[in-house]
Amino acid sequence: AQTVTQSQPEMSVQEAETVTLSCTYDTSESNYYLFWYKQPPSRQMILVIRQEAYKQQNATENRFSVNFQKAAKSFSLKISDSQLGDTAMYFCAFMRAQGAQKLVFGQGTRLTINP
Amino acid sequence: DAGVTQSPTHLIKTRGQHVTLRCSPISGHKSVSWYQQVLGQGPQFIFQYYEKEERGRGNFPDRFSARQFPNYSSELNVNALLLGDSALYLCASSLAIRGGNEKLFFGSGTQLSVL
Repeated sequence: AQTVTQSQPEMSVQEAETVTLSCTYDTSESNYYLFWYKQPPSRQMILVIRQEAYKQQNATENRFSVNFQKAAKSFSLKISDSQLGDTAMYFCAFMRAQGAQKLVFGQGTRLTINP
Repeated sequence: DAGVTQSPTHLIKTRGQHVTLRCSPISGHKSVSWYQQVLGQGPQFIFQYYEKEERGRGNFPDRFSARQFPNYSSELNVNALLLGDSALYLCASSLAIRGGNEKLFFGSGTQLSVL
């Protein structure tokens, strides 16, 4: 079974600062996908960024980037130039490449961006 | 275009009762998945349905069941409700049956409270 661990329950930074959220996972699969989702107070899960395990290049989406270390099974999210609208719960998630389209989520990190 | 819609948004039930939650996927999406999110935790996978057939099941008791209709909408049913069933129930839809290449789109969930 796959597990996803987020060791930072809460983080808080000032607007415009850079923040890094940590995530580790455990799997015996060789091909899989990793995700970061954002859940604002509206409760809707919003995809922030996606990484395919067989791609060595780290994914980037505007101010969001990841540091994917496959051997260490680590997948951190960096948010640059943080904005007030980035305040939300952030969840790291894993999905096998084969089988059901099943996401395995971590416990989440509550990120607060202060003005 | 409408996103994933779930109804009702909030629901209060008592122990032992039955509940039905509803989900309408994005137009053209044939896959619907259900997740349970207990307060303070990440979502947990319950079911995936694709083309009206169950394609994946999480570690939930038989009190949980689901079905998908010809228009690809879905219902999640929970019998003999327990206090521990109190949670946010999220529905997600996608084009594909499997894989992380196809993006999952989440609804805003149904908040179920069991008293």
